[in-house]
Amino acid sequence: DQQVKQNSPSLSVQEGRISILNCDYTNSMFDYFLWYKKYPAEGPTFLISISSIKDKNEDGRFTVFLNKSAKHLSLHIVPSQPGDSAVYFCAASAGGAGSYQLTFGKGTKLSVIP
Amino acid sequence: DAGVTQSPTHLIKTRGQQVTLRCSPKSGHDTVSWYQQALGQGPQFIFQYYEEEERQRGNFPDRFSGHQFPNYSSELNVNALLLGDSALYLCASSLVRPDYGYTFGSGTRLTVV
Repeated sequence: DQQVKQNSPSLSVQEGRISILNCDYTNSMFDYFLWYKKYPAEGPTFLISISSIKDKNEDGRFTVFLNKSAKHLSLHIVPSQPGDSAVYFCAASAGGAGSYQLTFGKGTKLSVIP
Repeated sequence: DAGVTQSPTHLIKTRGQQVTLRCSPKSGHDTVSWYQQALGQGPQFIFQYYEEEERQRGNFPDRFSGHQFPNYSSELNVNALLLGDSALYLCASSLVRPDYGYTFGSGTRLTVV
């Protein structure tokens, strides 16, 4: 039973436009959420996180939105750049930012077309 | 500043054998976690080590064991390898409170034949 779901395996976006990556979760105990980006032959790289006490967190071109009632979060990338092409993983933990264990989704492959 | 270093990068083992994977955490980090990423899946938590003790364990059998050394480096051991153990094994390091997310290594690609 997948507790973190990324229902879109892939997404293509034109350079300069907005990329929106979605993630749903089922475990109500999750209270901290993270996004990671992964290039081929590299490990995942931390992008941005959000605590369940917030509904938005912004860092440069990246914004994460959290809708707790819908158990849904999304990552917005504006403007999208070719270098953003990668697999994006949504991850969640229970126990706050100091939690030991991350639960990951299967990932969404983003392709930004020049 | 070196990030997380994992060795080897690739290896091939025969079913039933044993394997040891190694991880050196990012400088300044004291906590090491291990994840298994099967093809087409997200990483799955195996266990985490802090102060040379296993602090938490995911849903993996006892064939998976680990160790953390005084210099914070870590090993992952898998006994009696199965074909299904073929995966990318990722090591992630952090401070004991990973408020800024874990730092992952590039992983070890294990193929069991």
